[in-house]
Amino acid sequence: GAVVSQHPSRVICKSGTSVKIECRSLDFQATTMFWYRQFPKKSLMLMATSNEGSKATYEQGVEKDKFLINHASLTLSTLTVTSAHPEDSSFYICSAQTWDRDGTGELFFGEGSRLTVL
Amino acid sequence: RKEVEQDPGPFNVPEGATVAFNCTYSNSASQSFFWYRQDCRKEPKLLMSVYSSGNEDGRFTAQLNRASQYISLLIRDSKLSDSATYLCVVGGGGYNKLIFGAGTRLAVHP
Repeated sequence: GAVVSQHPSRVICKSGTSVKIECRSLDFQATTMFWYRQFPKKSLMLMATSNEGSKATYEQGVEKDKFLINHASLTLSTLTVTSAHPEDSSFYICSAQTWDRDGTGELFFGEGSRLTVL
Repeated sequence: RKEVEQDPGPFNVPEGATVAFNCTYSNSASQSFFWYRQDCRKEPKLLMSVYSSGNEDGRFTAQLNRASQYISLLIRDSKLSDSATYLCVVGGGGYNKLIFGAGTRLAVHP
């Protein structure tokens, strides 16, 4: 089945530094990928929709300049948390959708990246 | 009011028990409904889609009540491996409109 790989799974960084998280679709091409953020015991919150070859669409309240998203190829989207602060510590998950010939699709999630900002 | 609400649990049940989860959603225009399973510190995985007519997959039965705007998940003959958090997910049609509930935690004990 389709697999979405996310890297790194864990990252610890100092406040003020930038962190890049990669999301790759391993055996399919994904024109659209999604980035979520999940706090402990909370819902997954959609941050942005990443579109290959164009600018990402951000949800209300998500800072575009803080969470930079790049979707340069059909198999790779990256999320860069710029000038990270402790409040950015969270579990970040990406997902990618596949489309079947009959127009139905399925969403596959990456393994998630746990960011801790000291 | 939250867009998708679930009882957080935890539901502590013995092996073999039947357990039911409910989920309510606020947007009457919602078109797609799913149950996802999420193990601790792992990514969510699709358990089943929920159709208007209700659907069953082995020990799992999902139902949708559009009039009352709620979705249910029934797990029969619970296994230890069913222990996880179950996320109710509601969408407006496209995957970029998915709204996730906070999840209901299930703990199955011997």
